[in-house]
Amino acid sequence: GAVVSQHPSWVICKSGTSVKIECRSLDFQATTMFWYRQFPKQSLMLMATSNEGSKATYEQGVEKDKFLINHASLTLSTLTVTSAHPEDSSFYICSASLWQHQTQETQYFGPGTRLLVL
Amino acid sequence: KQEVTQIPAALSVPEGENLVLNCSFTDSAIYNLQWFRQDPGKGLTSLLLIQSSQREQTSGRLNASLDKSSGRSTLYIAASQPGDSATYLCALRNDYKLSFGAGTTVTVRA
Repeated sequence: GAVVSQHPSWVICKSGTSVKIECRSLDFQATTMFWYRQFPKQSLMLMATSNEGSKATYEQGVEKDKFLINHASLTLSTLTVTSAHPEDSSFYICSASLWQHQTQETQYFGPGTRLLVL
Repeated sequence: KQEVTQIPAALSVPEGENLVLNCSFTDSAIYNLQWFRQDPGKGLTSLLLIQSSQREQTSGRLNASLDKSSGRSTLYIAASQPGDSATYLCALRNDYKLSFGAGTTVTVRA
């Protein structure tokens, strides 16, 4: 149980285009999902927290107009990279929050999406 | 702001040797600490989760300890195998956020 999927697993796009990445919790409902970015040989950096039915909370330094997040259902969050540029090329990973016994929260991670902007 | 450091950045050992991976952190007000494994170009696989009130967790050949007072956690992998080659990340949860270290890349030589 507690499986999170991402689609696509990798994408190549031209500079200036927009790219949408989907994150789904397959066997549980997640009111909260998180989006991370990872550059080569660096740690995962939290970009934003996505709450179902409300606006996402962005970390300092992350442009909300560039990285649009939508969490329209309890099992799906999407990240859209608008007007992508080569510096946006990175590995994007999502996670979904599962609460157990109302007190224990665990994040389950998706397999990641590699974005290459030419 | 939580700062997480993992030393060493890379480690190469012969098969059968025990592995010791270190993680240090600056803010001890954590909910839990988690160790993950990441294979090249892949997502994260959770290995062990230690709650704030716990001192250690064990799973098979893996053992992780947590010392909040000194801001340290250690992951021990006994009798390493080539299949253990991967990057190991530690992550600490403060409030709702996970803060990750940069990882230790392990190579186990056959």
